[in-house]
Amino acid sequence: GAVVSQHPSRVICKSGTSVKIECRSLDFQATTMFWYRQFPKQSLMLMATSNEGSKATYEQGVEKDKFLINHASLTLSTLTVTSAHPEDSSFYICSASGGPMGYGYTFGSGTRLTVV
Amino acid sequence: AQSVTQLGSHVSVSEGALVLLRCNYSSSVPPYLFWYVQYPNQGLQLLLKYTTGATLVKGINGFEAEFKKSETSFHLTKPSAHMSDAAEYFCAVSVGFGNEKLTFGTGTRLTIIP
Repeated sequence: GAVVSQHPSRVICKSGTSVKIECRSLDFQATTMFWYRQFPKQSLMLMATSNEGSKATYEQGVEKDKFLINHASLTLSTLTVTSAHPEDSSFYICSASGGPMGYGYTFGSGTRLTVV
Repeated sequence: AQSVTQLGSHVSVSEGALVLLRCNYSSSVPPYLFWYVQYPNQGLQLLLKYTTGATLVKGINGFEAEFKKSETSFHLTKPSAHMSDAAEYFCAVSVGFGNEKLTFGTGTRLTIIP
């Protein structure tokens, strides 16, 4: 079955620094990847959609210069939170779709980001 | 645009009782519908999905859901609740399978009473 690995699972960083989160599809080629943010006890908010080799499409209200998304290969997408601030602390989750089996929306295990 | 409404942010049932989690959707085109479960500090695990064909969909862990177009509903059920079912459940809709975004409901927290 489809497996998506997300790394790191937890990260603590200082305010003003940048953090990179990786999302890998282990056994299929992910033509489309999605990045979500989830606040405590809330639903998932889509941040952006990325297709391999193309620029990401950001949802309204999401700062594309702050949340840099790269989808340079069919198995890897990265989310970089630049100049992180405490309000960026959240749970970030990726999802990947694609492959000849038509895998849709397989989620990573999430990354808990804490900015101090 | 599509949307999902999950009725009941919290549902409590006794162990062994029927689980019913409600989901209504809105979509201008035939929808793809999903139920996911999330345990604390984890990602989402797919329980089941409706794409086309049979309207009664069986998923993992004894869950099933029925797509009712006339009622725009996709309620999740399980005949007998188990303590391990305690988690957050999300219903989601998409207008395309895989390459279109998922729109999530607000979630339902299921508590199982021993």
